[in-house]
Amino acid sequence: QVQLQQWGAGLLKPSETLSLTCSIYGGSFTGYSWTWIRQPPGKGLEWIGEISHGGTTKYTPSLESRVTISLDTSKKQFSLQLRSVTAADTAVYFCARVYSTSFNYYYYYYMDVWGKGTTVTVSS
Amino acid sequence: EVVMTQSPATLSVSPGERATLSCRASQSVSSNLAWYQQKPGQAPRLLIYGASTRATGIPARFNGIGSGTEFTLTIISLQSEDFAVYHCQQYNAWPRTFGQGTKVEIK
Repeated sequence: QVQLQQWGAGLLKPSETLSLTCSIYGGSFTGYSWTWIRQPPGKGLEWIGEISHGGTTKYTPSLESRVTISLDTSKKQFSLQLRSVTAADTAVYFCARVYSTSFNYYYYYYMDVWGKGTTVTVSS
Repeated sequence: EVVMTQSPATLSVSPGERATLSCRASQSVSSNLAWYQQKPGQAPRLLIYGASTRATGIPARFNGIGSGTEFTLTIISLQSEDFAVYHCQQYNAWPRTFGQGTKVEIK
């Protein structure tokens, strides 16, 4: 059974860089994309971006200038970096596996395996 | 970006009753919509994709319908474990976007 284990610093000061890593256990790395999603306290989910197994990235425009998602295939890990953080970046950050496929006229895309989440607080 | 709007924000339902949750997209997303369930302190769990296809292991009491801009998740005969927050997400366009969530609470 595939599991994602995530880790990284939980307390940052404004202007620092958020760094989180997610390791994939018990499953294939190829054939999937890998995504980061965050949830500010008491709010909904925000898609940050994703990386395909081939290394192609997509980011949400509001964060694109500050975010990098990268992949280490040898370690079966993917990472999130968010630069110049502010209090608005305080959130629980989740990593997740994305399955996508298309056949006939259907296109399916969903996050089917999630990490447990990492609480990141930005405070001076 | 496609804005997803869920209603109501909170739904109070008695166990055994039906819950109907709505999700509206600011532009057509075809059937490219997923629903997730999230319990406090946990990661979201996939319920529905393709607007109406239940994910593996999801009970038949969860039903999704809709296409274009209007979607509904119905939970027939709510069980105690169904009280949670439900999120819709479109995957028709980049960036992927979520609704703000509907909390289903015990009445």
